[in-house]
Amino acid sequence: EVQLLESGGSLVQPGGSLRLSCAVSGFTFGSYAMTWVRQAPGQGLEWVSAITGDSVRTYYTDSVKGRFSVSRDNSQNTLFLRMDSLRAEDTAVYFCARTSRGAMDYWGRGTLVTVSS
Amino acid sequence: LPVLTQPPSASALPGASINLTCTLDSEHSSYTIEWYQQRPGRSPQFIMKIKSDGSHIRGDGIPDRFMGSSSGADRYLTLSNLQSDDEAEYHCSESHTLSGQVGWVFGGGTKLTVL
Repeated sequence: EVQLLESGGSLVQPGGSLRLSCAVSGFTFGSYAMTWVRQAPGQGLEWVSAITGDSVRTYYTDSVKGRFSVSRDNSQNTLFLRMDSLRAEDTAVYFCARTSRGAMDYWGRGTLVTVSS
Repeated sequence: LPVLTQPPSASALPGASINLTCTLDSEHSSYTIEWYQQRPGRSPQFIMKIKSDGSHIRGDGIPDRFMGSSSGADRYLTLSNLQSDDEAEYHCSESHTLSGQVGWVFGGGTKLTVL
């Protein structure tokens, strides 16, 4: 059974940092690209970042470029999202998703990041 | 960047059928899109991928009362024999490569109410 479990979300002050993790099981992790998607309270979905299975290529939405960094440890079946210089508008539930041919075919339950003083 | 437009809400009675629409902007009218279902308080679930020719591939465990089709820039998700469990937000999305950079865009979502 494919499972993804995010962790690391918390309340952080503006300008602060967080590292989110996504532990996966039930599939060959290194064979899949992975994405991060966020959802602000009461809002729609927004793609944040993606990484290829071999970590060679990473991609970011414009609003997080230079502040967020995606990485993965295929030996530990874990995806990461390092978030620096956090802003109020980064407040959201962050989901990780397995990605295959453009489709996010399995999702985690999400972890809440709140940026507030 | 591609733009995906969805009506904000839709409703139908149990047992009925309903078409949910995702409209691509004219420049990207041939793109493939994906549909996701998000029940209240839950994470999104992949429903299907739909190509411009209407062919579609469902996600694991998605029943065949969920059908996909296309017409021009419109991508449709048809739900038949509606059940209360179908009440959810439905999101469409597409992936693209622009100047060597891969990205995804989501529509605004349609909230489906089963009356």
